Amino acid sequence: QLQLQESGPGLVKPSETLSLTCTVSGGSITTKNYYWSWIRQPPGEGLEWIGNIYYSGSTYYNPSLESRLTISLDASKNQFSLKLSSVIDADTAVYYCASLFGDFDYSWFDPWGQGTLVTVSS
Amino acid sequence: QSVLTQPPSVSGAPGQRVTISCTGNSSNLGAGYDVHWYQQLPGTPPKPLIYYNNNRPSGVPDRFSGSKSDTSASLAITGLQADDEADYYCQSYDISLRSSVFGPGTKVTVL
Repeated sequence: QLQLQESGPGLVKPSETLSLTCTVSGGSITTKNYYWSWIRQPPGEGLEWIGNIYYSGSTYYNPSLESRLTISLDASKNQFSLKLSSVIDADTAVYYCASLFGDFDYSWFDPWGQGTLVTVSS
Repeated sequence: QSVLTQPPSVSGAPGQRVTISCTGNSSNLGAGYDVHWYQQLPGTPPKPLIYYNNNRPSGVPDRFSGSKSDTSASLAITGLQADDEADYYCQSYDISLRSSVFGPGTKVTVL
């Protein structure tokens, strides 16, 4: 059974780069037909899809974040990562990693990591 | 502003039936994309509740059901229980935005 766990700094200064890693256990990150996703939730607000990386390495980004976003995959560590540059206060959120199986445009996110709060503040 | 709209809140007494709507447009639900529903308890990640419009994952009680028609979908909870108090989100795909999209969420309160 797949399990995902986020890790990374909980505090990032404005204008710097937010970096998070998601460690996958219970399955290989290179398993065919799996997408590995990042989703965020500002405090007290709703969910926002950030982007996906396919098992092959292809990436799909939310156009509103694309210019600042890099998602990558490290098969040797069974991890995938998120980098969001030039962060502002509005990037403060709980960041979740999740998996999605099958067709990106038809499928759902399951399972999810526990989430990690990242605060943007000087 | 989400392209999927949900009521901010719904409430009901224990044992009652409540429904949560999720309304989209021709770029998402109306384009034939499926809708999925999640339940989020305070301080926890969202949990899949309904997938592909009307399917329940293993372990989800049959008190929860989903439906979809054209540009709208709904989640029904029957026999409302105290531990159903949570936020509920719908999710689909939007071809114009080239993005997975979530509704703004609906808070269910058990009176």
